[in-house]
Amino acid sequence: AQSVSQHNHHVILSEAASLELGCNYSYGGTVNLFWYVQYPGQHLQLLLKYFSGDPLVKGIKGFEAEFIKSKFSFNLRKPSVQWSDTAEYFCAVNAFTSGTYKYIFGTGTRLKVLA
Amino acid sequence: EAQVTQNPRYLITVTGKKLTVTCSQNMNHEYMSWYRQDPGLGLRQIYYSMNVEVTDKGDVPEGYKVSRKEKRNFPLILESPSPNQTSLYFCASSNDRGYEQYFGPGTRLTVT
Repeated sequence: AQSVSQHNHHVILSEAASLELGCNYSYGGTVNLFWYVQYPGQHLQLLLKYFSGDPLVKGIKGFEAEFIKSKFSFNLRKPSVQWSDTAEYFCAVNAFTSGTYKYIFGTGTRLKVLA
Repeated sequence: EAQVTQNPRYLITVTGKKLTVTCSQNMNHEYMSWYRQDPGLGLRQIYYSMNVEVTDKGDVPEGYKVSRKEKRNFPLILESPSPNQTSLYFCASSNDRGYEQYFGPGTRLTVT
């Protein structure tokens, strides 16, 4: 079955530290890849997406992600985090499987940035 | 303003009392979906709809029903809620099945 794995469940960083959150998926076909962010008490918002083309994609608020097809990975990065980045981050994969599109989310990574 | 709205935002109910959570989007999106979010489990898809009168099960459909009579609305129905349906529910929509989704503000449901 298709799945999305986020290896870091909780991450604590100090402001200005660099961030990398891992995301791996298990699906061999064509996929669309997403990172969503959920700030405390709010709904999910799109950070960035990858459909095709340049595997390094840039999103809002200085976030970027790199798609490495051979590793089935789509890791999220930010060079210097801010206190306002404290949130939960979800990786998601959309894949065409069994005659329909499936949207699968990872279990999320809670990021806490210390001021 | 483009948005997905859900009502109610908070609901406490008792086991077995039928309830409906409404979801509406004003973006003319064809694809709509319901998720539940539980700690440590992320978001799991309950049902989705690819267009009016077209719905299908997601990963955790047991105990839920949906309908899509109009393009903008996609209500979630719990005919006989049970405590294991206590969760945070999100409705989402997108203009195509493979595209990014726009999420509603969430409905926190407690079933006692």
